[in-house]
Amino acid sequence: EVQLVESGGVVVQPGGSLRLSCAASGFTFDDYTMHWVRQAPGKGLEWVSLISWDGGSTYYADSVKGRFTISRDNSKNSLYLQMNSLRTEDTALYYCAKENIYYFDYWGQGTLVTVSS
Amino acid sequence: QSALTQPASVSGSPGQSITISCTGTSSDVGGYNYVSWYQQHPGKAPKLMIYDVSNRPSGVSNRFSGSKSGNTASLTISGLQAEDEADYYCSSYTSSSTLFYVFGTGTKVTVL
Repeated sequence: EVQLVESGGVVVQPGGSLRLSCAASGFTFDDYTMHWVRQAPGKGLEWVSLISWDGGSTYYADSVKGRFTISRDNSKNSLYLQMNSLRTEDTALYYCAKENIYYFDYWGQGTLVTVSS
Repeated sequence: QSALTQPASVSGSPGQSITISCTGTSSDVGGYNYVSWYQQHPGKAPKLMIYDVSNRPSGVSNRFSGSKSGNTASLTISGLQAEDEADYYCSSYTSSSTLFYVFGTGTKVTVL
């Protein structure tokens, strides 16, 4: 059974930093591109970032480019999102999602990041 | 790059059919057969319902079907059931220089 379990979400002040983690199991992690998708409270889904199976390619939405860094450790079946210079508009539930060639076939339950003073 | 456009809400009675539209551009919905649909119940993670415009993953009811015409994709739920009440989001791969994937604005489906 595929499982994605996010962690690391907390309350942080504007300008602060945070690292999210996603532990994957139930599939061959290093075969797949992985993503972060976020959902602000009461709002829709927003794609944030992706990383290729080997970590060699990474891409970001304009809204986070230059502030967030996606990474992975295939030896630990783990995905990460380093979030710097956080803004109030980054407040959201952050999901990690497994890609299966142009769609997201599995999602975690999300971890809540709140940026507030 | 803006979100794909969906109606804010759609409703129907049990047993009826409803259709949710998802309108994009030639850079996303119209340019690729990579439209997917997700169901999200309150407090839950999104669940894949349709991929590659019209394919259903194993375990998803055949009451759910997808199609596309030009820049607009559609999700049809036939034989509407109480458990279908949820938010639905479309998504598409995009050739935008600033994004790889774009989501729809979301549609709240209410079963009357």
